[in-house]
Amino acid sequence: QVQLVQSGAEVKKPGASVRISCKASGYIFGTYIIHWVRQAPGQRLEWMGWINAGNGNTKHSQKFQGRVTLTRDSSASTVYMQLSSLRSEDTALYFCARMSGVYDSHFDYWGQGFLVTVAS
Amino acid sequence: QSVLTQPPSVSGAPGQRVTISCTGSSSNIGAGYHVNWYQQLPGTAPKVLMFANTNRPSGVPDRFSGSKSGTSASLAITGLQAEDEADYFCQSFDSSLSGPNWVFGGGTKLTVL
Repeated sequence: QVQLVQSGAEVKKPGASVRISCKASGYIFGTYIIHWVRQAPGQRLEWMGWINAGNGNTKHSQKFQGRVTLTRDSSASTVYMQLSSLRSEDTALYFCARMSGVYDSHFDYWGQGFLVTVAS
Repeated sequence: QSVLTQPPSVSGAPGQRVTISCTGSSSNIGAGYHVNWYQQLPGTAPKVLMFANTNRPSGVPDRFSGSKSGTSASLAITGLQAEDEADYFCQSFDSSLSGPNWVFGGGTKLTVL
């Protein structure tokens, strides 16, 4: 069965960076696009960016310009999201999610989320 | 960033019917892009409930149905059950000038009385 596994939680100080992993299994890794979505406490889900697991192409929301880096390790069927220059507003639950199609499509599988807390 | 608007909460008694609305704009729902719905139980990942406006993934009961018209969409739940108590949110694609984006509603908390 398809699974996206994210593990753990981290507490970071303002200005630091965090790198979150998302390990895929149950399907051919390189044939889907993985998105990153975050949910701050009491806030709506917010799209951050995507990575094409096949060719490594990425695109991210303008809001995270210069702060987010998306990468993948095909040999490990894992994608990574690094967010730098953390601030308190980045405290959120970060999800990876597989998109079933390209653009006008839905997220058919989600990771369980990775909690990032930014506090001094 | 364009967003989708949902009521913060809805409620209904077991067996009743409730609907959750999702209002967008001409750059997302009104542009013809699909609306998808997700159910999220506390502390868990979202689960797709409805995709491409009206399609249920396998395993989702036919008590759930979706519709779309103009710049809005709705999720209807009939025969309400206690297990339906959860957060529901809509999602669509947005093609505004700020660039392609995937947008979400703020979520609606369903309470089964």
